[in-house]
Amino acid sequence: EPEVTQTPSHQVTQMGQEVILRCVPISNHLYFYWYRQILGQKVEFLVSFYNNEISEKSEIFDDQFSVERPDGSNFTLKIRSTKLEDSAMYFCASSEFINTEAFFGQGTRLTVV
Amino acid sequence: QQQVKQSPQSLIVQKGGISIINCAYENTAFDYFPWYQQFPGKGPALLIAIRPDVSEKKEGRFTISFNKSAKQFSLHIMDSQPGDSATYFCAAASTTSGTYKYIFGTGTRLKVLA
Repeated sequence: EPEVTQTPSHQVTQMGQEVILRCVPISNHLYFYWYRQILGQKVEFLVSFYNNEISEKSEIFDDQFSVERPDGSNFTLKIRSTKLEDSAMYFCASSEFINTEAFFGQGTRLTVV
Repeated sequence: QQQVKQSPQSLIVQKGGISIINCAYENTAFDYFPWYQQFPGKGPALLIAIRPDVSEKKEGRFTISFNKSAKQFSLHIMDSQPGDSATYFCAAASTTSGTYKYIFGTGTRLKVLA
């Protein structure tokens, strides 16, 4: 069964450093998303991406964040100058069309120390 | 208006019992309501979803009941099993918004006792 894969599974970084979280969406999917889940809290929308551009972003997704689809298979989330409060589980998701189910990856646990 | 309110926060059910989790929303533009199941350390996995043109959808032991006028929907897990112990999130999305982002509820931690 096709699945969304994310790497790494766990990333520890020093405060102020830049991190790149990587995702390989399901191959025939066209819509890509990043969500964040702070420990013990709900899953929060960060950004959606379609046709090589951001289609919507939340207030969380400020200038510190950026997304990119550098090739035909990867979808990345870059966090510049990480802060302690960026520590969370980051989930990538993809959907085939705009109104079909989103499938989530297993997540990358980001720990900022 | 973008919130989805979920209750209870936690739930303990005996094996074989019925687990019921409730969600409520305010944004009438929402027209897709999925439920996700999440095990510790894993990503949310789609369990079952409903659109507002039906009042109930059943898949195996899982049933969604939807009340459009009350803007509420609920997940019923029949014959609950210890393997159902997980966190359940309801979500809502608007297919007219152009991006189909999900607004998640706060989650319900379900524990099914053997």
